Amino acid sequence: AQKVTQAQTEISVVEKEDVTLDCVYETRDTTYYLFWYKQPPSGELVFLIRRNSFDEQNEISGRYSWNFQKSTSSFNFTITASQVVDSAVYFCALSGNYGQNFVFGPGTRLSVLP
Amino acid sequence: ETGVTQSPTHLIKTRGQQVTLRCSSQSGHNTVSWYQQALGQGPQFIFQYYREEENGRGNFPPRFSGLQFPNYSSELNVNALELDDSALYLCASSATTSIYEQYFGPGTRLTVT
Repeated sequence: AQKVTQAQTEISVVEKEDVTLDCVYETRDTTYYLFWYKQPPSGELVFLIRRNSFDEQNEISGRYSWNFQKSTSSFNFTITASQVVDSAVYFCALSGNYGQNFVFGPGTRLSVLP
Repeated sequence: ETGVTQSPTHLIKTRGQQVTLRCSSQSGHNTVSWYQQALGQGPQFIFQYYREEENGRGNFPPRFSGLQFPNYSSELNVNALELDDSALYLCASSATTSIYEQYFGPGTRLTVT
């Protein structure tokens, strides 16, 4: 069975600090996809990134970066120079090869204080 | 380009009743997935519809059923409501060629009393 663990329930940082959100996954599939979503207080899930199991290159997008390590089954998300607008719940998710049966982690609530 | 919309925004029902939630997919998207998100938890996959057929189902009982229409909009029906059905119900749509990129609607908050 597929499973996603986000061990950090809540994180608080002061604005401009860097913060890393951890994600560990379990799957028996050889081909799979990993995702990060942001859920602001409004409730709508916002897609941030998708990574397939054959692409272990780290990715940077502005202040966001992702570190995919297959050896440790981890897909961590770092926000550099955090801002108050980054405050939200962040979900890591995993899907099979055909994109069905998404499994979400329990989420990490990030609070960025001014 | 119109995003994913859901109706109603909020709903209060009594245990044992039936409810229908609606979702309009983003323009050009033919796949719709439904998720249940209980308070403080991550979304749980209910089922997915592709071209009006169910295309995968999560661990939910048969009283959770769905429909997809020719215009790719979708309904989620829940019969015999239970208190534990209280949750945010999210709909997500995706295009055939980008099925891994789901775009979520704002959700319907269902409260069962």
